[in-house]
Amino acid sequence: GAVVSQHPSWVICKSGTSVKIECRSLDFQATTMFWYRQFPKQSLMLMATSNEGSKATYEQGVEKDKFLINHASLTLSTLTVTSAHPEDSSFYICSANGGVLSEQYFGPGTRLTVT
Amino acid sequence: SQQGEEDPQALSIQEGENATMNCSYKTSINNLQWYRQNSGRGLVHLILIRSNEREKHSGRLRVTLDTSKKSSSLLITASRAADTASYFCALNNAGNMLTFGGGTRLMVKP
Repeated sequence: GAVVSQHPSWVICKSGTSVKIECRSLDFQATTMFWYRQFPKQSLMLMATSNEGSKATYEQGVEKDKFLINHASLTLSTLTVTSAHPEDSSFYICSANGGVLSEQYFGPGTRLTVT
Repeated sequence: SQQGEEDPQALSIQEGENATMNCSYKTSINNLQWYRQNSGRGLVHLILIRSNEREKHSGRLRVTLDTSKKSSSLLITASRAADTASYFCALNNAGNMLTFGGGTRLMVKP
């Protein structure tokens, strides 16, 4: 099956710094990538949808200036958490989709801890 | 966005027993998917059932979909300790976007 990777798998950063998380589709071209956030023992909440070469569409309540998404190529999307705060600590998961009827393939997630 | 509601939120059974999880939703869907997540790990896709399908099987998994009742169930037969995980239903109702249910935490005791 298709493989999606995320890097890093975990990161610890200090309050006020920015952190970039990469999501790559390794063996297919992803026309659409999705970013989710998951707090402990909770479900995944969609943060934003990104299409290659265009601006991301953010879900209600997600600050686009805080969570910067760039989908510069068909195999790479990045999520940058700017001016991170402890409440941004969470598990961030991306998924990639290869076409209209294609299944979504999920990355292994990135655990962010902000101290 | 609408979210599926799953029940039970937590389920504890003995190895060998069957586990049933339910997902209910409110609007029309294109398809409904079930995922599994081990603690702190990524998602594993289990089964996709389309809106015009009523039942699908995959190994020990059986998924049903009742669009008139807007509900789906996931049955795991002859459970194993390794089935311990969280299980999520995800609704596809607009393009490629998925909306996840709250999840069921399954514990299978050896």
